[in-house]
Amino acid sequence: DTGVSQDPRHKITKRGQNVTFRCDPISEHNRLYWYRQTLGQGPEFLTYFQNEAQLEKSRLLSDRFSAERPKGSFSTLEIQRTEQGDSAMYLCASSGERAQETQYFGPGTRLLVL
Amino acid sequence: AQTVTQSQPEMSVQEAETVTLSCTYDTSESDYYLFWYKQPPSRQMILVIRQEAYKQQNATENRFSVNFQKAAKSFSLKISDSQLGDAAMYFCAQGGETSGSRLTFGEGTQLTVNP
Repeated sequence: DTGVSQDPRHKITKRGQNVTFRCDPISEHNRLYWYRQTLGQGPEFLTYFQNEAQLEKSRLLSDRFSAERPKGSFSTLEIQRTEQGDSAMYLCASSGERAQETQYFGPGTRLLVL
Repeated sequence: AQTVTQSQPEMSVQEAETVTLSCTYDTSESDYYLFWYKQPPSRQMILVIRQEAYKQQNATENRFSVNFQKAAKSFSLKISDSQLGDAAMYFCAQGGETSGSRLTFGEGTQLTVNP
């Protein structure tokens, strides 16, 4: 088990471009979460999946954001028409099937929008 | 709504000494759980310790222990025999059954360990 992985680790883009991030959870975990962390702050919840079903979305997840987990394994987070305010670390976490199970985090994707 | 507050933006400790990081939370849930995560510079967040609210006994993991005061909604982390590798940002987090799986994090405490 190699833990949660995320790709890319860093992304620099120009305002208005679309970006997509990928997360591969721990293999036996069926819950997958996305969080956003801005500099000097704690992570903020964006959305989560149980298997392929997206069960909850935060109000932080504007219409420009979309997340998928088509086969219940890896997930993608896409940001369309990026804005400078989207610059942040995007963290993925995974856990077992029960809500109280510990979430294990990946290394994150650091996005910089110029 | 859940809130988690860490009132100490920065703390420092001498190597081999003990330090306590504070955390308070507010929740309307009866079944919830609390975590301390550690985030070293430019490295991923890792779990330090967790506590289920229904457990009266404070959790302990080697040099790390918590002081869980349920009535006061307080959840502090004590690090004993501090090591240079303990230097990191520490986040307190809370999750609950009825809030789905979302974790609510505090603002973090930056811990410096001085040799």
